[in-house]
Amino acid sequence: SQQGEEDPQALSIQEGENATMNCSYKTSINNLQWYRQNSGRGLVHLILIRSNEREKHSGRLRVTLDTSKKSSSLLITASRAADTASYFCATDGTSGTYKYIFGTGTRLKVLA
Amino acid sequence: DARVTQTPRHKVTEMGQEVTMRCQPILGHNTVFWYRQTMMQGLELLAYFRNRAPLDDSGMPKDRFSAEMPDATLATLKIQPSEPRDSAVYFCASVYGGNREQFFGPGTRLTVL
Repeated sequence: SQQGEEDPQALSIQEGENATMNCSYKTSINNLQWYRQNSGRGLVHLILIRSNEREKHSGRLRVTLDTSKKSSSLLITASRAADTASYFCATDGTSGTYKYIFGTGTRLKVLA
Repeated sequence: DARVTQTPRHKVTEMGQEVTMRCQPILGHNTVFWYRQTMMQGLELLAYFRNRAPLDDSGMPKDRFSAEMPDATLATLKIQPSEPRDSAVYFCASVYGGNREQFFGPGTRLTVL
C-alpha cells in the first residue's frame, strides 16, 4: 500500500523547543500534504509541498521533501502548548487523482 | 466562516440497524470525500465524488455501505445493516476546484452495540 508512516508515533517536548516529525511513503507522488488533528476534531490542512520542491515554510512550520528517499519531515519551531495534536502526512500518487492516502500520524504533546 | 458540516455528531445504534450520516460540503466545493478513522486502521478513504459523480469507492465495503450525493449541497453515507466493527469516526471533507487542500468536517462518532 502507499500509506505513509510517520515517525515517531508519539513525541513529548517542552514549550519553546522544536518538534520534528517524519513521514515515509512507498510510491512516487505529485505532492505531499501535512495535516493537524486536535483531539476530537477534524483534520486541518497545514501545508502542501510539490514533488519538485525541496523545502517550504509557513510561519513556524518548515517542511522538507526528499523524493529520492521517499520521505518528508515537518519541523515546528518554538512549539506552544496549542501545538499539541496529531500530525498526519498525506500522499497522492502520480495518477493525478484527488485520492490521498494518510499516514499513521505522530501524536505531539507540548508541555507548558 | 465557511465550514463542512456533518450530522449527527454522535450516533449510538444496535447491530443490524441502518445508519445514515450526512455531510454538507462548503458551498462551491465540488469534490467530496468520506473517510473512516479508527485507532487500529487510522484514516481510511471510503469513497469520493467529483461534481457529484462517484470517482472511487474502492475503500468501501460494498455489501453494506453506500454513498451518494443527491445534490451539490448534500452527501450521504449509509450503512445497512450496521455491525460492531463499523464503530469509528466518519469524516467528510471537501475540496474547491483543482485545489488539493481538503477541508474536513467535525466527524460523526458512530458506536454500534
